[in-house]
Amino acid sequence: QVQLVESGGGVVQPGRSLRLSCAASGFTFSTYGMHWVRQAPGKGLEWVAVIWFDGSNEYYADSVKGRFTISRDNSKDTLFLQMNSLRAEDTAIYYCTRDPEAGFDYWGQGTLVTVSS
Amino acid sequence: QSALTQPASVSGSPGQSITISCTGTSSDVGGYKYVSWYQQHPGKVPKLLIYDVTNRPSGVSNRFSGSKSGNTASLTISGLQAEDEADYYCSSYTSSSTWVFGGGTKLTVL
Repeated sequence: QVQLVESGGGVVQPGRSLRLSCAASGFTFSTYGMHWVRQAPGKGLEWVAVIWFDGSNEYYADSVKGRFTISRDNSKDTLFLQMNSLRAEDTAIYYCTRDPEAGFDYWGQGTLVTVSS
Repeated sequence: QSALTQPASVSGSPGQSITISCTGTSSDVGGYKYVSWYQQHPGKVPKLLIYDVTNRPSGVSNRFSGSKSGNTASLTISGLQAEDEADYYCSSYTSSSTWVFGGGTKLTVL
């Protein structure tokens, strides 16, 4: 069965960095585009970034462009999100989600990132 | 990348039908078939209900249906049940090769 398991969240000070990981299993990871979506406490969903199946293209929300980098290692079935220059407004649950070009069909359980001094 | 516009809340009685709208622009909702809808219960992970405007994934009840007219997409839930009480989000692909979500709609089953 398809599984997506995020890790790497935690409490970090403003201006610092954090790297999230998403371990995928149960499907051929290298054939799917992958996204990060976040949800601030008590707020709605916000799309963050996408990376194509082969890593050839990446796109970002304006709110994170220039600070976050999405990447993947298809040999290890793992998705990453490098988050630099973190701000209080980046505090959220971060979900990785699969994109079969038919909606975001599978989601991980999420990892909580808290940016606070 | 402005969020798509959804009503903050809708309500209905069991057995009734409700419709949630999702308004964007010609650069997102109006320009592409890649509109999807998600259901999220409190403390849970979002669940895909509708993709490509009208399609239901396997296992999703046929009480959920989607449509689009111009820059506005809609999710209709028929035969409302207590378990349908949740937050609902629309999403669309955009002309910038990015995606955008709506602000979310809280459905209350009276």
